[in-house]
Amino acid sequence: AQSVTQLDSQVPVFEEAPVELRCNYSSSVSVYLFWYVQYPNQGLQLLLKYLSGSTLVKGINGFEAEFNKSQTSFHLRKPSVHISDTAEYFCAVTDSMNTGFQKLVFGTGTRLLVSP
Amino acid sequence: EPEVTQTPSHQVTQMGQEVILRCVPISNHLYFYWYRQILGQKVEFLVSFYNNEISEKSEIFDDQFSVERPDGSNFTLKIRSTKLEDSAMYFCASSPGTPDGYTFGSGTRLTVV
Repeated sequence: AQSVTQLDSQVPVFEEAPVELRCNYSSSVSVYLFWYVQYPNQGLQLLLKYLSGSTLVKGINGFEAEFNKSQTSFHLRKPSVHISDTAEYFCAVTDSMNTGFQKLVFGTGTRLLVSP
Repeated sequence: EPEVTQTPSHQVTQMGQEVILRCVPISNHLYFYWYRQILGQKVEFLVSFYNNEISEKSEIFDDQFSVERPDGSNFTLKIRSTKLEDSAMYFCASSPGTPDGYTFGSGTRLTVV
């Protein structure tokens, strides 16, 4: 079974500063990895995903993440954040060996708080 | 871009009442899912559905829950007798069978009073 750990429940940062949100996963098989963003009282929006190929994945809104198999990590980064990036960020994993049905396992989320 | 549509966006119900949450998955998708997010907590898998039957369900998905694809387009989650602890955001998702294209709806916030 897979699991996801997001060690930081909250990350405060000033506007235009860089940010890294950490995600570590546990799995006995190969995985696909995802980052979702949830703005207050809204649904889940896909930021980016790692399926295969290049370990550096670029997503929407200037975010990127790097898949590190040896460290079982998939940290999310942005070089310069905006106030509008304030939201909850969820890392998720699924088993890549399954074809068809994929159950996503989510981390507990990291709240990014961007202040002026 | 194709969307997963959920209705209603917010539902308030009295404890013990039955509720049906509705979802219209993306039309050429084959796999359908329900997830739940209790306020302030993580998103949790409830159930997956393929070829008109449940393919996997979590321990949360007890006998009070059921899913159905009644007419080939809608995908519903029914809670037979709601409890206070069923208050949560419920997300529907669909996929074509590959992780590329896995899409969530915007959710239904269920409040049980």
